[in-house]
Amino acid sequence: ETGVTQTPRHLVMGMTNKKSLKCEQHLGHNAMYWYKQSAKKPLELMFVYNFKEQTENNSVPSRFSPECPNSSHLFLHLHTLQPEDSALYLCASSQMTDRAADTQYFGPGTRLTVL
Amino acid sequence: AQSVTQLDSHVSVSEGTPVLLRCNYSSSYSPSLFWYVQHPNKGLQLLLKYTSAATLVKGINGFEAEFKKSETSFHLTKPSAHMSDAAEYFCVLNTGFQKLVFGTGTRLLVSP
Repeated sequence: ETGVTQTPRHLVMGMTNKKSLKCEQHLGHNAMYWYKQSAKKPLELMFVYNFKEQTENNSVPSRFSPECPNSSHLFLHLHTLQPEDSALYLCASSQMTDRAADTQYFGPGTRLTVL
Repeated sequence: AQSVTQLDSHVSVSEGTPVLLRCNYSSSYSPSLFWYVQHPNKGLQLLLKYTSAATLVKGINGFEAEFKKSETSFHLTKPSAHMSDAAEYFCVLNTGFQKLVFGTGTRLLVSP
């Protein structure tokens, strides 16, 4: 596996379900990100992790819960979602040194549909 | 405020003709700028980036972009479009604090 991988690629869930999205990066990076891409809207940054520590939560509702057990893996736990949460969820990684961010590399995304 | 404006939501070209996708930016600092491409149901792929070295930046698949500070522009060009270039293109500003500012995207349509 190379680059940034995400599973599952597609997910359909009811509003009462609990599911998790997984992201893995094989680039040796130390920063990972979750983005939300909704139709006709710019990409929205959700969370940032540096060296496994969350450094950014962009006012994301608590029904989205991130987890970063190590620098290579990032999860997004989902529960009690709303239909408006249906979107493409993208994971990215980068190398971060001295507060300067390098290029972010994106995974293929998980297409989430909430019924 | 730092922002990116992609001037066209859709651009249509014929195969073999030049491509021009326009992007203007606003930044208080010396910007780092990127172009990403997204094919249907795929993630974002980096095409090229500008980080204050040469103003003409060459990327993958024959794309290039020119940084013009006087015009606050970073337009993406390609001399000859290919059918496989049909996708959505995003101009992105790196604020330097791990926050990327994305344009709203330009959908490139390529007809035979």
